[in-house]
Amino acid sequence: GDSVTQMEGPVTLSEEAFLTINCTYTATGYPSLFWYVQYPGEGLQLLLKATKADDKGSNKGFEATYRKETTSFHLEKGSVQVSDSAVYFCALRRWGSGNTGKLIFGQGTTLQVKP
Amino acid sequence: ETGVTQSPTHLIKTRGQQVTLRCSSQSGHNTVSWYQQALGQGPQFIFQYYREEENGRGNFPPRFSGLQFPNYSSELNVNALELDDSALYLCASSSTGGQDEQYFGPGTRLTVT
Repeated sequence: GDSVTQMEGPVTLSEEAFLTINCTYTATGYPSLFWYVQYPGEGLQLLLKATKADDKGSNKGFEATYRKETTSFHLEKGSVQVSDSAVYFCALRRWGSGNTGKLIFGQGTTLQVKP
Repeated sequence: ETGVTQSPTHLIKTRGQQVTLRCSSQSGHNTVSWYQQALGQGPQFIFQYYREEENGRGNFPPRFSGLQFPNYSSELNVNALELDDSALYLCASSSTGGQDEQYFGPGTRLTVT
């Protein structure tokens, strides 16, 4: 079945450091890929998405490129801030009739940014 | 535009009891999906309701059931609570049977003792 695997956390970085969180997926067909962020005590917020191969999703300085050849969707940011400290989830969703549009999530990666 | 709301925020139940969680969808959305997020894990899909009908179900036993009302708000009911049901329960609303972006509520934290 479909699945998403993320790098183990926690990831601890100093402010202004470069961030990469690895995400790989297994799915039939051509799923859409997402990154969600969860701040402490809150629900999930969509950070960015990509719907087809080679698409790049971007938002708030974060980027991820849909790589079908490596089945990956790694999250990157050039310079992290303390306010980026949160849990990040990679997810996929398959389109088309008969699909509920359910999201399949990875296990999450905790990012802690120190001043 | 009002976002997705959930109630209650927290609750504590005893093993064997029953619980009802509530979700109000975002204005204009006709689909509600429920997810269970155990501590330290990613959310797992429980089921989805579209236009008041169940529209898909994840790998959860029948003691997890739901309803959707004409105003598209939804309830998640869990019978015969088990310790492993302790989790954050998230609902997400969307339009078009879940194929559009899903907007998540803040969740209900359920603790079963």
